[in-house]
Amino acid sequence: EAGVAQSPRYKIIEKRQSVAFWCNPISGHATLYWYQQILGQGPKLLIQFQNNGVVDDSQLPKDRFSAERLKGVDSTLKIQPAKLEDSAVYLCASSLASRSGNTIYFGEGSWLTVV
Amino acid sequence: DQQVKQNSPSLSVQEGRISILNCDYTNSMFDYFLWYKKYPAEGPTFLISISSIKDKNEDGRFTVFLNKSAKHLSLHIVPSQPGDSAVYFCAATSGYALNFGKGTSLLVTP
Repeated sequence: EAGVAQSPRYKIIEKRQSVAFWCNPISGHATLYWYQQILGQGPKLLIQFQNNGVVDDSQLPKDRFSAERLKGVDSTLKIQPAKLEDSAVYLCASSLASRSGNTIYFGEGSWLTVV
Repeated sequence: DQQVKQNSPSLSVQEGRISILNCDYTNSMFDYFLWYKKYPAEGPTFLISISSIKDKNEDGRFTVFLNKSAKHLSLHIVPSQPGDSAVYFCAATSGYALNFGKGTSLLVTP
């Protein structure tokens, strides 16, 4: 079974530029998550989708971050304009459902450096 | 506010001995707990989980213990192997997304 696919793996941009990350979850997984992991910290949820609807985006900085999952499968996370503090690993994850007891599986992450 | 806390940033253990990683949580609504293992330049990998209706779950060398009254869980690795060297994240959920601790870096020395 293929895992969660993410691209690009690495990206370096200047501040105020824009960047987009793509994620394809495990086949059949209805729930998709985007997490941000800053060095030395645990992953922090940015947004959670159930199929193509947003379940939780309370910690997404909506003035600069946006995400979509138009067809309920793959998803794109965009940052525009980027700030230095956005340097982090952006982890996409998926699970069969959003209920407790469902294991969340992570991709390898997209590493962003903003200079 | 950090609802899941891993108070030990690092731990060093000799090969063959037991590794014990600890985790505390503050939200009594959490009902499912997971441990993830993370190697450098990779995403977190699911290791083991436990539901709040249990107090122990075992999978090979890995055992997770849950003490609900103390809001504490621990991961035991016996025997520890050099390949277990990684960052271990504790996570908890009440039905939505996972809340992670900051991680404990485990080093298993030969």
